[in-house]
Amino acid sequence: AQSVSQHNHHVILSEAASLELGCNYSYGGTVNLFWYVQYPGQHLQLLLKYFSGDPLVKGIKGFEAEFIKSKFSFNLRKPSVQWSDTAEYFCAVNAGASGTYKYIFGTGTRLKVLA
Amino acid sequence: DTAVSQTPKYLVTQMGNDKSIKCEQNLGHDTMYWYKQDSKKFLKIMFSYNNKELIINETVPNRFSPKSPDKAHLNLHINSLELGDSAVYFCASSSGRREQYFGPGTRLTVT
Repeated sequence: AQSVSQHNHHVILSEAASLELGCNYSYGGTVNLFWYVQYPGQHLQLLLKYFSGDPLVKGIKGFEAEFIKSKFSFNLRKPSVQWSDTAEYFCAVNAGASGTYKYIFGTGTRLKVLA
Repeated sequence: DTAVSQTPKYLVTQMGNDKSIKCEQNLGHDTMYWYKQDSKKFLKIMFSYNNKELIINETVPNRFSPKSPDKAHLNLHINSLELGDSAVYFCASSSGRREQYFGPGTRLTVT
């Protein structure tokens, strides 16, 4: 069965520290990959996405992610986090053949940035 | 203009009652979804509708029923509410396999 794993459930960083959140998926076919962010009390918003092309994608607010097909990974990175990055981060995959594809979300990583 | 809207934002009700949550999207998307997010922030897909046809129906109790009067609306009706139904429910929409746009959520509290 298709699945998405986020290895870090809780991450605590100080401001200006670098961030990397892991995401691995299990599906051998074509995938579309996403990272969403959910700020406290708010809904999920798209951070960045990968459909094809350059495996290093840049998103909003200085976030980037790298798709490594051989590792089935799509890790999220940010060189220097800010207090305002405190949020829940979800990796998601759209996998499956046309007409039968489905979205799968990871369990989320809670990031707390200390001022 | 709000892309995906939900009403109500908060819903407090007693066990055994029946309630509905409405969702509307003005993005012209062809697929809409309902998610349940529990207190641990786990996001569980409940239903998705593509062009008014149910294409995913995860293992949710049949007390939950999605209703889509047209492509822009996907309402969630819940019968005989239970304490365990308390959660935040998010509606979302997408165009095919592209990114999803989420509504603001409905916080349901069953007492």
